[in-house]
Amino acid sequence: GAGVSQSPSNKVTEKGKDVELRCDPISGHTALYWYRQSLGQGLEFLIYFQGNSAPDKSGLPSDRFSAERTGGSVSTLTIQRTQQEDSAVYLCASSFGNGETQYFGPGTRLLVL
Amino acid sequence: QKEVEQNSGPLSVPEGAIASLNCTYSDRGSQSFFWYRQYSGKSPELIMFIYSNGDKEDGRFTAQLNKASQYVSLLIRDSQPSDSATYLCAVQRSGGFKTIFGAGTRLFVKA
Repeated sequence: GAGVSQSPSNKVTEKGKDVELRCDPISGHTALYWYRQSLGQGLEFLIYFQGNSAPDKSGLPSDRFSAERTGGSVSTLTIQRTQQEDSAVYLCASSFGNGETQYFGPGTRLLVL
Repeated sequence: QKEVEQNSGPLSVPEGAIASLNCTYSDRGSQSFFWYRQYSGKSPELIMFIYSNGDKEDGRFTAQLNKASQYVSLLIRDSQPSDSATYLCAVQRSGGFKTIFGAGTRLFVKA
């Protein structure tokens, strides 16, 4: 079956612009996660969604970052007024539940000039 | 103190040897432990998960968990050049979804 998909695969933007990153999870997966990975670094947790529960936003680095998940499926991560330090790979993952394997998408490579 | 700590490496082992990757975590409420492998330029993929103290074996891979010492490890037997990658340790709290990853250990297997 189809895996996790993300779009765009690459995004170059100018400092101060807003960007939207999209994630389509695996069908039937109730949990969806967003991570950020800077060059040569590990994964930094940003946010997760689980079913109809309130999302855990504790990893979002600033109020410029927000995310939503519509209809329990597709999710969008929005970064407002981008800064150069936002440049990273943004990874989305989904799973059946907690304690379960997370399946990762290919990521969106964001470059803020 | 980082929540999940790994030696960044690189760890270099000859082909056929045992590679030992270690991870410590700070949250005693942690319940689920995962090892992911990430090839350069690719996304992470699960190698193994472990929930209970002791060893869990899957082919050439063995995960070891010691909750009292807050320590989890991954052993790779008969290492192959194709095992060369970054190995990420990940931890979840009991009943939780928030997942904390370590910075990863780079492994090189020399042919």
